[in-house]
Amino acid sequence: GENVEQHPSTLSVQEGDSAVIKCTYSDSASNYFPWYKQELGKRPQLIIDIRSNVGEKKDQRIAVTLNKTAKHFSLHITETQPEDSAVYFCAASITGGGSEKLVFGKGTKLTVNP
Amino acid sequence: DGGITQSPKYLFRKEGQNVTLSCEQNLNHDAMYWYRQDPGQGLRLIYYSQIVNDFQKGDIAEGYSVSREKKESFPLTVTSAQKNPTAFYLCASSRVMLAGVRHNEQFFGPGTRLTVL
Repeated sequence: GENVEQHPSTLSVQEGDSAVIKCTYSDSASNYFPWYKQELGKRPQLIIDIRSNVGEKKDQRIAVTLNKTAKHFSLHITETQPEDSAVYFCAASITGGGSEKLVFGKGTKLTVNP
Repeated sequence: DGGITQSPKYLFRKEGQNVTLSCEQNLNHDAMYWYRQDPGQGLRLIYYSQIVNDFQKGDIAEGYSVSREKKESFPLTVTSAQKNPTAFYLCASSRVMLAGVRHNEQFFGPGTRLTVL
């Protein structure tokens, strides 16, 4: 089945620096890759997603890149701010038998130091 | 995601008891999902349902059961067979298809924290 590996597990940056989180997936049929942000004790919130027919997508300070050949995708956060501190999860879709589900990475705890 | 509610927010259970976690959505979403979250483990899929009266096992279904009698509701029962049920449980929903376009985005409820005493 699909396996999603996420690195690093923890990441600490200075305010204003960039942060990059990387994920790899195993199922070449996966075609949807969302990123979620989860603050302590809260629900995961979708922050950006990308589909397999696109190589890059950007939304203000957040961007995601996808390399289908290598089966990896990355989240880039520029000009980090303390409020970016949270746990970030990547996921990849699996479709089969008419149903679809997501497989999640184990998360990256990002700390932005003021 | 404000249209997905879970109750209760905190739940305490004695060993050997079954408990049911509630998940309701008013977003008219077709699919609903249950995840379990443990520290350092990410989100693991327990059960999911694409349509009413149908559901599939996820990766860690043992010791859990679900029903999908209504589109809006997808309750999860944690049975006494679940060996280590203490965790944070998250429910999610997604539209699946709209006007012939697949919509994969999943939106999460606020979660229920279950503790076994």
